[in-house]
Amino acid sequence: GQQVMQIPQYQHVQEGEDFTTYCNSSTTLSNIQWYKQRPGGHPVFLIQLVKSGEVKKQKRLTFQFGEAKKNSSLHITATQTTDVGTYFCAGHKNSNYQLIWGAGTKLIIKP
Amino acid sequence: KAGVTQTPRYLIKTRGQQVTLSCSPISGHRSVSWYQQTPGQGLQFLFEYFSETQRNKGNFPGRFSGRQFSNSRSEMNVSTLELGDSALYLCASSLTIAGGNTGELFFGEGSRLTVL
Repeated sequence: GQQVMQIPQYQHVQEGEDFTTYCNSSTTLSNIQWYKQRPGGHPVFLIQLVKSGEVKKQKRLTFQFGEAKKNSSLHITATQTTDVGTYFCAGHKNSNYQLIWGAGTKLIIKP
Repeated sequence: KAGVTQTPRYLIKTRGQQVTLSCSPISGHRSVSWYQQTPGQGLQFLFEYFSETQRNKGNFPGRFSGRQFSNSRSEMNVSTLELGDSALYLCASSLTIAGGNTGELFFGEGSRLTVL
């Protein structure tokens, strides 16, 4: 089963509102990656965070990696229709090559 | 640079049959991972290969198997198909060093399998 909890499962927002998805691991991660999957598409890599407390920005997207390297968040400011899709987090445990995935958060823009 | 190529893109099988899916990674990528995705579900990890060796395996029955060739191309096989195997099967390649964690994954478009 999932060892990285990702919430919420869905988020409905009006265009222009903000969106945030959170990932929490019970164990320390060596890194965290974020992917976006558009409807009908395949996951596309967004970013990787490695350092404790790291914050990275990509235009309207802000990614954070917690101080304990157990949690991460993705925040989108002023959502646009192009942001629609499912956002996944994935991380490596320190002693394993395997990426552990969150279940994803689906961003839905209300008409 | 060509991306990850998966074939076939779509296929329909009946219960009890077997299927082989193919994945050609990005040139120079030695790590290939396979995932199963069903509607409303996340990405379920099947296995990962690096330099022809299976490095990790997910919690799938033995009906699911895979292999990697010397040119890094990979195949996965599902035998004795069940209705519940209907899914999108995604392959991802990564530029990974020996002994290192999988880096950024580059996914293919997927093979959509329907089992009737």
